[in-house]
Amino acid sequence: QLQLQESGPGLVKPSETLSLTCTVSGGSISSSSYYWGWIRQPPGKGLEWIGSIYYSGSTYYNPSLKSRVTISVDTSKNQFSLKLSSVTAADTAVYYCARHPRRYDILTGYPRPVYYFDYWGQGTLVTVSS
Amino acid sequence: DIQMTQSPSSLSASVGDRVTITCQASQDISNYLNWYQQKPGKAPKLLIYDASNLETGVPSRFSGSGSGTDFTFTISSLQPEDIATYYCQQYDNLPRVTFGQGTKLEIK
Repeated sequence: QLQLQESGPGLVKPSETLSLTCTVSGGSISSSSYYWGWIRQPPGKGLEWIGSIYYSGSTYYNPSLKSRVTISVDTSKNQFSLKLSSVTAADTAVYYCARHPRRYDILTGYPRPVYYFDYWGQGTLVTVSS
Repeated sequence: DIQMTQSPSSLSASVGDRVTITCQASQDISNYLNWYQQKPGKAPKLLIYDASNLETGVPSRFSGSGSGTDFTFTISSLQPEDIATYYCQQYDNLPRVTFGQGTKLEIK
């Protein structure tokens, strides 16, 4: 059974960098069939996709966060990570890691990510406060 | 950006009722629309992908339909365990990935 687990500091100071890691177990992050993403949810609010990565290192980011986000992968540890720089109180949220498929486009014949998230971690609350 | 309008924002229904939630996109998104269930303190759970495909293991009382800009999510017979917040989510190839505002479903 695939499991994802987020880890990292629960408290980050304003202007600093938020760093989280997602450890994948019960499956390989190097699977050619999946991408791995980060989604966040401020307390009492809705969901926001942050970005995704393929095991090769290809990344896709939410344009609204792109200037502050870096997602990386470590296939040897079966982990992928999130860094969000220059955080403010607005970045306080539960951060989830999740998996989504890769499939071949019928029209182009090229592989591409499809964004439905079928496995999720339990989430980790990160609070931005001094 | 593609805007998603999900309605209603909250809904109260009785056990056994048919429940419908709608999601409207600001432009044509083909069938790139998914539905999730989220219970308090838990991660979202995928129910429907690509507008109408039931995720493996999800009860058949859940269904989805629509294409283009207008989508519908239905629970055919509400059960007590269905109390949750439901979200639609769209995506395209740019990529742009956005979630609806959510519908909080309560038992009457």
